[in-house]
Amino acid sequence: NAGVMQNPRHLVRRRGQEARLRCSPMKGHSHVYWYRQLPEEGLKFMVYLQKENIIDESGMPKERFSAEFPKEGPSILRIQQVVRGDSAAYFCANSQDRGYRVDGYTFGSGTRLTVV
Amino acid sequence: GESVGLHLPTLSVQEGDNSIINCAYSNSASDYFIWYKQESGKGPQFIIDIRSNMDKRQGQRVTVLLNKTVKHLSLQIAATQPGDSAVYFCAENIRGDKIIFGKGTRLHILP
Repeated sequence: NAGVMQNPRHLVRRRGQEARLRCSPMKGHSHVYWYRQLPEEGLKFMVYLQKENIIDESGMPKERFSAEFPKEGPSILRIQQVVRGDSAAYFCANSQDRGYRVDGYTFGSGTRLTVV
Repeated sequence: GESVGLHLPTLSVQEGDNSIINCAYSNSASDYFIWYKQESGKGPQFIIDIRSNMDKRQGQRVTVLLNKTVKHLSLQIAATQPGDSAVYFCAENIRGDKIIFGKGTRLHILP
C-alpha cells in the first residue's frame, strides 16, 4: 500500500492560470479531506468528500476553488485564476470511514503550489 | 476561528533530555485531541490522541496530558533524539469529520 499519493509534488503557475491538484487515496479509503498550509502556519481544513459527494465544504473559499471525487479516479482540487495568495502547501488526507478514527486518518506528502 | 493554539513557536532541547510541548484550547465542548508531527517537506504524521474522558495517555516515548479545568494539553517526549526534530501540532477533531490544527511548535534538538 503506497499510502496517500498526491501529485504533482511541486506546481508553479502564473497569476491567472488554473491549478489542478490530484489526490489518490489508499485502497479501500473512500473519504478524502483537503487542507491548506501557509508557511509557518497550521493546516486549515478546506473540504471533505466521499465518493461523488461533498460532505463538508465549509473551509473552501467561495470563489475560484472547487473539489471533486469522482467514482473513478483521484480527487481533484481545482483553483481557477490563481493569485499569489494561493501559494501554499495543499495536503490531502484519507480515511476508511467517518468518525473518530484519527489514527486511520493518513496524510499525503502534499503539493506545493507557487504562483508567480 | 481556531480553537487550539500553541504557547511557543520554537523549543530547543538537549539531546537525551525530555521535551514538553504545550497547547491551549478554548472550546470547552472539545472532546478529542490529537498530536501530529510534521517533518520538513512531509505531511503531518499522527503521534498520539486522547479523549476528553481521559487525563493521560502514553505511547512509545510519548505521553499526552489533558487538563480540562484549564483547557490545556501537553505532549511529552522522553529522551529526545535528533529524529524528533520537527514541527508539532496539537489538533482538535470535530465530530470525526475534520481536524482543526493549531499553529505548531518547532522542536530543535541540540547536540
